[in-house]
Amino acid sequence: QKEVEQNSGPLSVPEGAIASLNCTYSDRGSQSFFWYRQYSGKSPELIMFIYSNGDKEDGRFTAQLNKASQYVSLLIRDSQPSDSATYLCAVNIWGNQFYFGTGTSLTVIP
Amino acid sequence: KAGVTQTPRYLIKTRGQQVTLSCSPISGHRSVSWYQQTPGQGLQFLFEYFSETQRNKGNFPGRFSGRQFSNSRSEMNVSTLELGDSALYLCASSLEAGGDYEQYFGPGTRLTVT
Repeated sequence: QKEVEQNSGPLSVPEGAIASLNCTYSDRGSQSFFWYRQYSGKSPELIMFIYSNGDKEDGRFTAQLNKASQYVSLLIRDSQPSDSATYLCAVNIWGNQFYFGTGTSLTVIP
Repeated sequence: KAGVTQTPRYLIKTRGQQVTLSCSPISGHRSVSWYQQTPGQGLQFLFEYFSETQRNKGNFPGRFSGRQFSNSRSEMNVSTLELGDSALYLCASSLEAGGDYEQYFGPGTRLTVT
């Protein structure tokens, strides 16, 4: 079983819609959770992180964490074509060792 | 504040050769992690250095090694290159103070082994 699992997609949403990206993790000791955006040919860019159960909002992005269900999600409101990218979920299990999902490809259709 | 920098950006090597990649973290960041990214395997953790000590290690063969210097700059070395080592090698740094584990990535080094 992989440490972090994501639906590889591709996920397509129309411009202006809400994009919902999901991630599950296997280690209940996981401490912190991160979402990265990666454009083709570029390196991952940190867009959100969440440490506590509940929701965390930053602009058009909302991260949601449910430790009991071992589930973390990212909502992108008012999706724009520039949001088209691969979104990587990362989990910090202990210390500074991260595990990454394989990413979900998102396409926002104008 | 300058971001994470990596050199070189692109590299072409032949099987059997060795290669050294360099990473300079964000100023003040003491933790440096290295990752290999390939289309088939995604982002895989190689190792992490903190205060010149390797603190975590992923599941890669001993041909992959690294080190960190007193100024937090880090190098990664791959000996006896194989075709399968062709990948994007990413370095990430984090401050790690008060539970702050956010990692920021450099632009990567694209290694092609022929």
